[in-house]
Amino acid sequence: DQQVKQNSPSLSVQEGRISILNCDYTNSMFDYFLWYKKYPAEGPTFLISISSIKDKNEDGRFTVFLNKSAKHLSLHIVPSQPGDSAVYFCAASARGTSYGKLTFGQGTILTVHP
Amino acid sequence: DTGVSQNPRHKITKRGQNVTFRCDPISEHNRLYWYRQTLGQGPEFLTYFQNEAQLEKSRLLSDRFSAERPKGSFSTLEIQRTEQGDSAMYLCASSPVMNTGTEAFFGQGTRLTVV
Repeated sequence: DQQVKQNSPSLSVQEGRISILNCDYTNSMFDYFLWYKKYPAEGPTFLISISSIKDKNEDGRFTVFLNKSAKHLSLHIVPSQPGDSAVYFCAASARGTSYGKLTFGQGTILTVHP
Repeated sequence: DTGVSQNPRHKITKRGQNVTFRCDPISEHNRLYWYRQTLGQGPEFLTYFQNEAQLEKSRLLSDRFSAERPKGSFSTLEIQRTEQGDSAMYLCASSPVMNTGTEAFFGQGTRLTVV
């Protein structure tokens, strides 16, 4: 039962262009969503989050969009840089549970070419 | 360094042996979580503590797994009679207690290889 899905295993973009990573969820109890970035042999690093009361959150080059009716969120990175190359995980947490208990997607490997 | 610290970083053990991992959370964080990540998958929740109380355990956590957080500070995760299927990255995370969503901060993980 994969409650959070990232259907694209990998994404390749040119430096300076936009990277768009997508995530779908099925559990309507999820109300807080996060993106983590992970380099090999390291733990995930928090990137950006969004509450279900919002549909957009921006932090520098990173913007997360939430479409609750479609149960879909996306992460936009503009402009993409080679240092952004990593695995990106979408995660969600639900009302009524510990907000640190996260359900993760499978991850998308982003490669940004110079 | 005030981040989440995990030791050891790597552990190779023979099948059937017991192993123990340690996690030191961010000092002001009341909540501590253990996750497991296998190749090609996202981290999967195992268990979490609020202070010294273990509040939830995933069904992924078989009887061979036990976690403790004495005195509500560091935590240990022990795996008894290891199996090859236990090979994975074991991640620890911590967070403050919040009434709204908040991020969990992860350590660098312990890579377990069972041979």
